Amino acid sequence: NAGVMQNPRHLVRRRGQEARLRCSPMKGHSHVYWYRQLPEEGLKFMVYLQKENIIDESGMPKERFSAEFPKEGPSILRIQQVVRGDSAAYFCASSLTSGGAYNEQFFGPGTRLTVL
Amino acid sequence: RKEVEQDPGPFNVPEGATVAFNCTYSNSASQSFFWYRQDCRKEPKLLMSVYSSGNEDGRFTAQLNRASQYISLLIRDSKLSDSATYLCVVNAASGTYKYIFGTGTRLKVLA
Repeated sequence: NAGVMQNPRHLVRRRGQEARLRCSPMKGHSHVYWYRQLPEEGLKFMVYLQKENIIDESGMPKERFSAEFPKEGPSILRIQQVVRGDSAAYFCASSLTSGGAYNEQFFGPGTRLTVL
Repeated sequence: RKEVEQDPGPFNVPEGATVAFNCTYSNSASQSFFWYRQDCRKEPKLLMSVYSSGNEDGRFTAQLNRASQYISLLIRDSKLSDSATYLCVVNAASGTYKYIFGTGTRLKVLA
């Protein structure tokens, strides 16, 4: 039973380029979450999506960042015109439900973004 | 005040020791509580959910004190493989799906 998959695992971009991070949830999970972890800091919630819907994007910067979870295919976190401060580990998680029982979130291996 | 606070450690303990971590949270309306472990440069892995009545999983025991708003994790008979950062996680007031992570407590088990 494959876990949450993310790719690429490492991504290097120059300032001003675009970064696209992909996440495939665990089989049977339709709830996807993106978190960002800066060096020596805790994970910070960015966005919560269900298939084709953004439910909560309150943790995502208003500019340059966007997320989607299409009907077919993985969830995508897109960062346009990257800056050095975007360098971080980006983790995706998925869950069976979003509340009540079985709401535990399972994390993918993360994408480490380095902006030069 | 941080929403979830943990002692960063590090806790250096010998193999076989018992070690306890505490975590406090600020939102009295939180309903979901978890302990995750994170190895260096890896993803967080769910260690255990924390229930009101307290729960045990092998060498690990988690307890919740709602009145004082703290959660604890007890590890008995520490193994070298327990060396990791332990993350306390609480759901946000605005949604049970929104996890608030502590910055973690580092544990190093010494041979």
